[in-house]
Amino acid sequence: GAGVSQSPSNKVTEKGKDVELRCDPISGHTALYWYRQSLGQGLEFLIYFQGNSAPDKSGLPSDRFSAERTGGSVSTLTIQRTQQEDSAVYLCASSSTGTLNQPQHFGDGTRLSIL
Amino acid sequence: SQQGEEDPQALSIQEGENATMNCSYKTSINNLQWYRQNSGRGLVHLILIRSNEREKHSGRLRVTLDTSKKSSSLLITASRAADTASYFCATDTGSARQLTFGSGTQLTVLP
Repeated sequence: GAGVSQSPSNKVTEKGKDVELRCDPISGHTALYWYRQSLGQGLEFLIYFQGNSAPDKSGLPSDRFSAERTGGSVSTLTIQRTQQEDSAVYLCASSSTGTLNQPQHFGDGTRLSIL
Repeated sequence: SQQGEEDPQALSIQEGENATMNCSYKTSINNLQWYRQNSGRGLVHLILIRSNEREKHSGRLRVTLDTSKKSSSLLITASRAADTASYFCATDTGSARQLTFGSGTQLTVLP
């Protein structure tokens, strides 16, 4: 597709389970970003990839959160031993380069609910 | 507090009226971007204004930037019901590798 694709669109899971969220960026975009958005709030930066490497992981809230990107394309965000406070919408964005004077293109997010 | 903070938090207007949203920030920036988010969707880039620019237009959108006051405004003229969305500013401070987003203004345009 032409845009950023995220899957699943919704995920409901029990506390303590692991979850994996997927992001397919726009083809050819080298930069990929993960954000978290709580209800009615702004975006909280999680991690940034340039190609397959992550120069900035500063936003990951705890060691239960990890992310990888393979082939300079698809990225997965993994949350281990989920907690109720992890409930949020997880948004992925890509941009053509890693410079911040380029627009970021967002997917529609994964709405994660931890019971 | 956040680098970018929008004001007001919520705005309700009648179709045809103009809507003005403001964004204030704390540190110097390289550029500032505005995004729109419809309910349940991702963010859509609207416009980018660089630190050496004072005003920029795109269709019914007008963005101003006052670096001395560390503030920006987004004006939507002749609003439509389809403009109902949340609007976010995002700043590039040059010291981080990511944009810093504000908490947004929820705009409701009543038909």
